[in-house]
Amino acid sequence: EAGVAQSPRYKIIEKRQSVAFWCNPISGHATLYWYQQILGQGPKLLIQFQNNGVVDDSQLPKDRFSAERLKGVDSTLKIQPAKLEDSAVYLCASSLEGIEAFFGQGTRLTVV
Amino acid sequence: QKEVEQNSGPLSVPEGAIASLNCTYSDRGSQSFFWYRQYSGKSPELIMSIYSNGDKEDGRFTAQLNKASQYVSLLIRDSQPSDSATYLCAVNLRGSTLGRLYFGRGTQLTVWP
Repeated sequence: EAGVAQSPRYKIIEKRQSVAFWCNPISGHATLYWYQQILGQGPKLLIQFQNNGVVDDSQLPKDRFSAERLKGVDSTLKIQPAKLEDSAVYLCASSLEGIEAFFGQGTRLTVV
Repeated sequence: QKEVEQNSGPLSVPEGAIASLNCTYSDRGSQSFFWYRQYSGKSPELIMSIYSNGDKEDGRFTAQLNKASQYVSLLIRDSQPSDSATYLCAVNLRGSTLGRLYFGRGTQLTVWP
């Protein structure tokens, strides 16, 4: 069974630029999550989708971050404009019944 | 109190020893608890889940849960150098969306030959 796919693996941008990350969850997984992991910390949830609806975006900085999940499968996370403190690994995860979550390899973002 | 706390480590044990990793959480009504292993530069990998009080064993790994004490631990028996990684405790806290995980900062484990 294929795992969670993410791209790109690495991205370097200048502050105030925009960036987008893509995620394809495990086939059949209805729940999709985006987490942000800053170096030395545990992952922090940004947004959680159930099919193509948002169920939790309480920690998403909505002035600069947006996410969508079209047709309940793939998802994109966008940052515009980026700040230095957005430098982190962005992890996508999916789960079958909203319980055990499996992570993709992540996108390491560096904002300079 | 932080929602999920782990002993910060780092923890260093010799090969063959038992490594003990601990985690406390803020809400007694929480129901789902997970341990993830994260190698340097890699993404978290689910290694154990536990939902009921007591012990759950899977190979060399044992998860222990005590809901009354709001405490969950992971024991790694016969530790191997390949177990060297950061171990993340994650909890689906009561009142949060099903599946929404709160993570601790992680405990870095080093197993030396």
